[in-house]
Order: sequence, then structure tokens, then C-alpha cells
Amino acid sequence: DAGVIQSPRHEVTEMGQEVTLRCKPISGHNSLFWYRQTMMRGLELLIYFNNNVPIDDSGMPEDRFSAKMPNASFSTLKIQPSEPRDSAVYFCASSLGGGGLSIYFGEGSWLTVV
Amino acid sequence: AQSVAQPEDQVNVAEGNPLTVKCTYSVSGNPYLFWYVQYPNRGLQFLLKYITGDNLVKGSYGFEAEFNKSQTSFHLKKPSALVSDSALYFCAVRDGNSGAGSYQLTFGKGTKLSVIP
Repeated sequence: DAGVIQSPRHEVTEMGQEVTLRCKPISGHNSLFWYRQTMMRGLELLIYFNNNVPIDDSGMPEDRFSAKMPNASFSTLKIQPSEPRDSAVYFCASSLGGGGLSIYFGEGSWLTVV
Repeated sequence: AQSVAQPEDQVNVAEGNPLTVKCTYSVSGNPYLFWYVQYPNRGLQFLLKYITGDNLVKGSYGFEAEFNKSQTSFHLKKPSALVSDSALYFCAVRDGNSGAGSYQLTFGKGTKLSVIP
């Protein structure tokens, strides 16, 4: 089975540009998560979708960040305008529900804003 | 609020020796506990989990973890370390009693394991 698929794997962009990260969750999973990983703050949950509906976006840093899930097989995380402090690895993950079920991570999108 | 502490930023162990990566947690309800491993430039991979039942949980690649409720710990162990086990290890906790909020998985800061040949 295909895992969680993220694109792009690597992105280098200039400050002020718009960045769009994409995610395809595992087929059949109804929960989708966006995480950010940095050396300073570790893994942070940005937003959680359940059945394509955003349930908790309290981790989204500021209005420059937005996420959508138009259907069960696709989600985007957009940063506009991007800033150097947004440089991080962004992970998408999915699971079948919550509770004791495991979350499966994609390989990550490595973002560098210069 | 729930939290996870991994007290060691780095653990060094000789190949063939037993390894332990420590994790303690805090959660108001029943803990659901997880270990993930991250290899360089890769995503996190699920290793094992404790939900209920036997306190000793066995997972992938020969790893196991012991749930200790009184010490609120969930240490990761392996009897004989391999060089290929060198990676970043994350402990995570969910509150099993929080119903609809049980999606929230809180991660520790991670522990870098280096297995020396």
C-alpha cells in the first residue's frame, strides 16, 4: 500500500513568496494532520482534519498559514507570504480515526526560506 | 494538558549491548503511548504502542517498551543494539479518555541514539 505522499520533498524559496505544500493521505484514512518540525521546537501539530473538516487549527502559527482539505485524498498547507523563520520540515500524517490508532507520516517537505 | 519528557538528548551505546531510551509522560486520562523512529531525512515511522493489556509491548525491529503506570514511564528497550538502529526516537502520548479530542498526539523532543561499532 502507498503511504502518505507529500510534495515537494524540498523547496527553497525567497522571503515573501507563496509556498504550497501538498499531501495525499493513505486511502481510507479519515484523519489528517499537518506537523512542523524544527530543532528548537520539535514536532508541533499545526492543524487536524477529520472527514475533511478542520477540527483544530490552534497550532497554526499565524494568518500567513492556511490549510485546506477539499476531498478525502488531498490536502494543502499554504504559507503566504513566507518568512525565513518558516524554514522547517513539514510533515503530513494520516490515521483511521483517533484514539489508540497509529498515525502514519509522510516523508516530509523540507522548506527553506531565504 | 498532556506532555512527554525524554530526558536524554542523546544516548550512545556499543553495538551488541542493550539499549534503553527513556520516556515519561503526563496525561489526565488513560495514556495511549507510542514510539516512533526517524532516520535521517525521512519521516517518522511507527515502532510500537501501548493501549491496554500487557505492560510489555513488542514492536518492530526487535524493539520493546515497558509501560509503568506508577512511574508514568514508557521506556524503549532492545536487548542487542545494531549500528542500523542509530536514529532519532520519539515518544508520544494521547489521552485515551478524551473522546473526540483523543486525536491530539503530543510528542517528546526526541532522543538521538548512536550505536557505536
